[in-house]
Amino acid sequence: DIQLTQSPSFLSASLGDRVTITCRSSHSIGTFLNWYQHKPGKAPKLLIYTASSLQSGVPSRFSGSGYGTDFTLTISSLQPEDFATYSCQQSYSTLYSFGQGTRLEIK
Amino acid sequence: QVQLQESGPGLVKPSETLSLTCTVSGSSISSAYYWGWVRQPPGKGLEWMGNIYHTGSTHYNPSLKSRVTISLDKSKNQFSLELSSVTAADTAVYYCANVFDSSGYFQYWGQGILVIVSS
Repeated sequence: DIQLTQSPSFLSASLGDRVTITCRSSHSIGTFLNWYQHKPGKAPKLLIYTASSLQSGVPSRFSGSGYGTDFTLTISSLQPEDFATYSCQQSYSTLYSFGQGTRLEIK
Repeated sequence: QVQLQESGPGLVKPSETLSLTCTVSGSSISSAYYWGWVRQPPGKGLEWMGNIYHTGSTHYNPSLKSRVTISLDKSKNQFSLELSSVTAADTAVYYCANVFDSSGYFQYWGQGILVIVSS
């Protein structure tokens, strides 16, 4: 099984800050890594697919990078609506898996 | 626009079988690469449960494999989840979602349904 480990698990930041969340895979997965945003009571929202492709309608302040085992999600300038939980997901294996999530809160 | 809606009981007794249905609109269930189920226990992260291809072939999370079954009903444009021998640890919000293509990302999601396991 492929395990995904996100860091940090919790992040406190201010409006306008640049933040980076890391996702590390236990096996090399190429670019089969996707990022989601989720908020309480709402469905998860796809932000980035195949490591660096921005989903249609997602603001350009979100970006993704990485290959193999190390990936990052960056938000260039935090907006109020960005405070949420972020999760990575690998689709390299037919047995998918998610990271444990990173909770982003307002400082 | 593809829309997915979960339905089923919100309360299940321990040792019984949890059964949920996802109704798909705006797309044929034969058109997506995979249809899948993901859950989120209270205070925890997302957990992939399994996927089903439009041909009916399935892949399940090894941690659940002996208890989970996903099936298709093409006549109703629905797919379903069954989880047997539930315990309190299966209390979660359950989401259905579609995988658009072989890249494997979940593009559209249902709103989720909270299922509580309790006697």
